[in-house]
Amino acid sequence: GAVVSQHPSWVICKSGTSVKIECRSLDFQATTMFWYRQFPKQSLMLMATSNEGSKATYEQGVEKDKFLINHASLTLSTLTVTSAHPEDSSFYICSARAGKRETEAFFGQGTRLTVV
Amino acid sequence: DAKTTQPNSMESNEEEPVHLPCNHSTISGTDYIHWYRQLPSQGPEYVIHGLTSNVNNRMASLAIAEDRKSSTLILHRATLRDAAVYYCILRGRGSGYALNFGKGTSLLVTP
Repeated sequence: GAVVSQHPSWVICKSGTSVKIECRSLDFQATTMFWYRQFPKQSLMLMATSNEGSKATYEQGVEKDKFLINHASLTLSTLTVTSAHPEDSSFYICSARAGKRETEAFFGQGTRLTVV
Repeated sequence: DAKTTQPNSMESNEEEPVHLPCNHSTISGTDYIHWYRQLPSQGPEYVIHGLTSNVNNRMASLAIAEDRKSSTLILHRATLRDAAVYYCILRGRGSGYALNFGKGTSLLVTP
């Protein structure tokens, strides 16, 4: 099946710094990418939807100035957590879809962010 | 989005069939039924999806009730590697093709 690669797999950063997470579709063009956050023992929560070349659409309660999403190409989307704080520590997961047909979504392996 | 209801957890013996139920009584006519699973510390993995007819693939089978208000994911022979959280998700055009995850069913497989 199609592959979505996330980098890094884990990162530890100091409070107040920014962290960038990359999501790449390796063998298909992703017209739409999704970013999720998952806290321990909870389900995935959709943060935002991004379409290539346009601004991301954020879910209610997600700060767009704090979680910057860039979808500059059909194979790459990035999530930047700005001025990270300990409460931003979480498991961040990206997902990508090819086209608009009803197909499965492909997920990255996730990025474990720990803010100290 | 229409909601789904799943049991919090289920347990199965290895090499036995597993039937994971999902209720979605408010499903609309254009909603597809998707199943994903997530192993610990990994991203979700696609299992199967369908609209009205039952579906089979190499991983599982999806049985959809005639009124579409419920569905069942069937793992024909559970293995230890099938231990995961299984999510039943409805996806319709109104969701922008995003997947909105509920709490899912945590499947425990015992040898």
